Amino acid sequence: SQTIHQWPATLVQPVGSPLSLECTVEGTSNPNLYWYRQAAGRGLQLLFYSVGIGQISSEVPQNLSASRPQDRQFILSSKKLLLSDSGFYLCAWSRGLTPYEQYFGPGTRLTVT
Amino acid sequence: AQTVTQSQPEMSVQEAETVTLSCTYDTSESDYYLFWYKQPPSRQMILVIRQEAYKQQNATENRFSVNFQKAAKSFSLKISDSQLGDAAMYFCAYGKTSYDKVIFGPGTSLSVIP
Repeated sequence: SQTIHQWPATLVQPVGSPLSLECTVEGTSNPNLYWYRQAAGRGLQLLFYSVGIGQISSEVPQNLSASRPQDRQFILSSKKLLLSDSGFYLCAWSRGLTPYEQYFGPGTRLTVT
Repeated sequence: AQTVTQSQPEMSVQEAETVTLSCTYDTSESDYYLFWYKQPPSRQMILVIRQEAYKQQNATENRFSVNFQKAAKSFSLKISDSQLGDAAMYFCAYGKTSYDKVIFGPGTSLSVIP
């Protein structure tokens, strides 16, 4: 069966510090991978998605970036965090043939102070 | 462009009663998929139910069922015999095979009153 992991689960970082959130998927190959951000009590905002290694599509211009160094690994990064980067970050995967059916990780709660 | 609307930011239901959450969407496509996701307080997103647009029969998963009205572009979720564990944020979503992304609605927060 497939599982998706995210870490860390919780993170508190000062403004201006770097960020690295990691997501890995097990039990499948060549998944589509997605990063979403969710502000408190709000909906999901798609940040990045990837349909293959080295293929990253950005949905929203911001100070965040994403990378996919391995088939089942997706990393969300920032060089300098802003207060507005606080939120709940969700990673998701889907099969390439059925991209519409997404499975989510447990999420990372990021607080920028 | 495709959009998904959930006009009820918050809903409440008495335990054991039935509640219906509304969702409308806009698309010019004829072949697509619709979903309801549940996000409980733990914030783990869980796929509740899905509907293929080419199927006229409404999908059902235990106490969860949908009313899919393709012409009206409406996709409501009915929860029967509501339980305390049903309290969550519910998101309606749209996707299609040739489109790598999923469009999520803004969500409806459901409270279950004991």
